[in-house]
This record gives sequence, structure tokens and C-alpha cells, in this order.
Amino acid sequence: DQQVKQNSPSLSVQEGRISILNCDYTNSMFDYFLWYKKYPAEGPTFLISISSIKDKNEDGRFTVFLNKSAKHLSLHIVPSQPGDSAVYFCAADDGGTASKLTFGTGTRLQVTL
Amino acid sequence: ETGVTQTPRHLVMGMTNKKSLKCEQHLGHNAMYWYKQSAKKPLELMFVYNFKEQTENNSVPSRFSPECPNSSHLFLHLHTLQPEDSALYLCASSQGTGRYEQYFGPGTRLTVT
Repeated sequence: DQQVKQNSPSLSVQEGRISILNCDYTNSMFDYFLWYKKYPAEGPTFLISISSIKDKNEDGRFTVFLNKSAKHLSLHIVPSQPGDSAVYFCAADDGGTASKLTFGTGTRLQVTL
Repeated sequence: ETGVTQTPRHLVMGMTNKKSLKCEQHLGHNAMYWYKQSAKKPLELMFVYNFKEQTENNSVPSRFSPECPNSSHLFLHLHTLQPEDSALYLCASSQGTGRYEQYFGPGTRLTVT
């Protein structure tokens, strides 16, 4: 049973517009959430994170929103750029000592000109 | 070399072969991880090492045998694998376990014939 779900396998957005990537989780023990970006033939790279004590974290064009009651988080990219085209993974940590991240299956974002 | 490197990048092996995957991190980190990504599935944590000691084995079959001789190197020894073990194997490192960003290598694409 997947504890972190990204229900949209792909998303296409026009350059300059907002990209919204969604992630749902089922484990109420998760208290730290991360987004990773992956280009082909490269490993995932860390993008942004949020702790469960916050509902929003912003870093430049990237903002992550957390809705704990709905067990839902989203990544907003504004404005979207062609270089943002990649696979985005949502991950969650349950606060244990071993840094065990649980990943979603990813959403492929295509930013078109 | 910088970051996290993995060799080989691609590997094809028969079910009776023995092979090893190598990971090296050049970041001065103390924790290292092996992940598996099968087609259409999320990244799954396999093993965690912290200061060369294994702290997590996520119910991985014994045909996968990790080795961490020092904090910079991590190996995954493979023997008598099954075709369903074909996947992308990713190595990652972080400053420590807990709330530290994980840096990933590019992965080894393994095909078991």
C-alpha cells in the first residue's frame, strides 16, 4: 500500500504559467516532506522541504504548501520555465532516526514554449 | 569527481552471475543509502549506513549484500538475482541520518536476464 501518492503521472504547462504538482499521504506519522526533481540520466536533486509545523515554505519560484488535515501537499512553480521540465518526486519522513524517506511515483512536468 | 558517483552506469547480468555496484561520495558525508526504483514504482529504500554501520535493512532479500568499508564508499554485491530485480539502483549520501538533505548519484540501470 503506497503511503505517498502522486496521482498525476504527467502535467503539461505553458512557459510563464503556474505549475501545480500534488501529493497525498496516508501515514499520519509523517512530519517532514520534501520535493526532489529528476532529469533523465541523473539522480534526484533536492528542491524544497517543509516541516509539519508549517503550512507554507517558499524558495524563489518554488513554494510548497502543506494541508495536514487533508494529508495533502502541493508544489507551486511560478513562473514555469522550460528548464523545469523534469520528473518531480514527493517524499515524506516519519521523524525516525534513520532518515527513511518514503517516495511517491513521481509526476513528469513538461513546460512548453 | 564531485558529488555522488556510481559505477557502472549500466549492467546486464545473468541469474547465476555475481556482480557488484559501487558508490562513492565526495561530500564528506557520514550516511549512505541504497535505493531501488522499479518501473512505475516509487523509490524504495533498501539499506542505510551511518558511520559505516548498517542502521537499516528494509527487508531486502539476502541476494543483495551491502558493504560499507568507509564513509565514502558503498557497495552492493549481487548474486543469483531474479529478472524482477531489474531496476535502477540509486545511491545517496547525507551529512547524517535524520533531517539532512540526501544527495543522489545518477544510478545504475541493472538488467537481469
